Amino acid sequence: NAGVTQTPKFRILKIGQSMTLQCTQDMNHNYMYWYRQDPGMGLKLIYYSVGAGITDKGEVPNGYNVSRSTTEDFPLRLELAAPSQTSVYFCASSYSGQGRGYTFGSGTRLTVV
Amino acid sequence: GQQLNQSPQSMFIQEGEDVSMNCTSSSIFNTWLWYKQDPGEGPVLLIALYKAGELTSNGRLTAQFGITRKDSFLNISASIPSDVGIYFCAGQDTDKLIFGTGTRLQVFP
Repeated sequence: NAGVTQTPKFRILKIGQSMTLQCTQDMNHNYMYWYRQDPGMGLKLIYYSVGAGITDKGEVPNGYNVSRSTTEDFPLRLELAAPSQTSVYFCASSYSGQGRGYTFGSGTRLTVV
Repeated sequence: GQQLNQSPQSMFIQEGEDVSMNCTSSSIFNTWLWYKQDPGEGPVLLIALYKAGELTSNGRLTAQFGITRKDSFLNISASIPSDVGIYFCAGQDTDKLIFGTGTRLQVFP
C-alpha cells in the first residue's frame, strides 16, 4: 500500500516556467489537499478537493491551479513560476475530511531561480 | 485568515529532559491535533483531541485541549534523540486543517 505519492521530490525552475506537481493516492480517499511549507511558517493550504470534479481554494491559491478528474489524482499546476513559490509542497488525503485520517506525501522541494 | 501561533519557535534540550509547547488561536476549534514532521518527510499524526479540557496520552506524549477551545498543549516526557523534528498543532476547520507555525525540537545526548 503506497499511500500518498508525490513526484518529483526535487525541482529547480526558472522564473516564468511552468510545471505540474503530481500527487496520487491509492486509499480511495475522497478528500485531497495541497499545502506549502515555508521556513518558520507552518503549512498553508493552497487548494483542496472533497471529491472528483470538485475543487476549492485554500488560504494561498494565487499562482496555482488544480484539477481532480479522478479520485486518485490531484495535480497542482504552476503556470508562471515566481521566486515567491520557492517552497516545500505537501499533498495529503483523507477519507472523511477529518484530521485524524490525514495521510501526507513526503513532499516536493521546489526552487524558483 | 485564521492563525495558529506556536511557542516556543525552537527548543534545544538535553536527552532525558521534559518538553512543553503550546498553540494558541484567535478562533475556536472543536478538534485539535498534534503532528510531528521528521526531516524530509510529511507530518505524521501524534494525538487528536475532541473535547474541551480533554487530556490524552500516547506513550511519552501528553496533549491537552484547552477549556477555551482556543489553545492546546503538548508535553513530551524523558526526551530521546528520535524526538528531534518539527511539531505542529492543527485545528479542524470543517473539512480542512489549519496548521500552526511549528516548534523545532533538537535533542542533544
